[in-house]
Amino acid sequence: GAVVSQHPSRVICKSGTSVKIECRSLDFQATTMFWYRQFPKQSLMLMATSNEGSKATYEQGVEKDKFLINHASLTLSTLTVTSAHPEDSSFYICSAYSPNRWNTEAFFGQGTRLTVV
Amino acid sequence: DQQVKQNSPSLSVQEGRISILNCDYTNSMFDYFLWYKKYPAEGPTFLISISSIKDKNEDGRFTVFLNKSAKHLSLHIVPSQPGDSAVYFCAATEGQGGKLIFGQGTELSVKP
Repeated sequence: GAVVSQHPSRVICKSGTSVKIECRSLDFQATTMFWYRQFPKQSLMLMATSNEGSKATYEQGVEKDKFLINHASLTLSTLTVTSAHPEDSSFYICSAYSPNRWNTEAFFGQGTRLTVV
Repeated sequence: DQQVKQNSPSLSVQEGRISILNCDYTNSMFDYFLWYKKYPAEGPTFLISISSIKDKNEDGRFTVFLNKSAKHLSLHIVPSQPGDSAVYFCAATEGQGGKLIFGQGTELSVKP
């Protein structure tokens, strides 16, 4: 399967600081990337859809000014959690999708465990 | 509004037996369904998928069944192995957009 690399795998930051998470598709060009968030024992909740070269589309209830998404190239999308607070502590996962190679299967990164102290 | 539901948070099965994981959905526009396996602190790994034009798809020990009229799908694992122990998520999507809507997950435990 395709390889999607997410970095860092875990990060601890102080309340009020910003954290950037990178998602890279290593062996294909991803026209679309998705960012999910998972709380313990819960489902993966879609946060936003990131399309290369255009603004991200956020799901209802997700603050776009707090979760900044940039998809500057076909292989890289970044999620920046701005002014992080303890309630932002969660597991963040990206997925990359390209309709040119697969039907509808999206490939996931390894996830990032964010802890805000 | 939970469009994809997995009502069993956990399932315990004996090694060698069949594991059946269930998933229900409410959105009739979903036309493609996927199952993912996930370990703690890792991203989901794709297992098997099925298009809405089919009612069954098989890949080795894994078979997915789709009942469109009941808006229900299930994943059968046979024979179950201890290495299958993980959280299983079903996901659904509409069209070829790659945007997946996930269920809550079912934690499968396969005991030796």
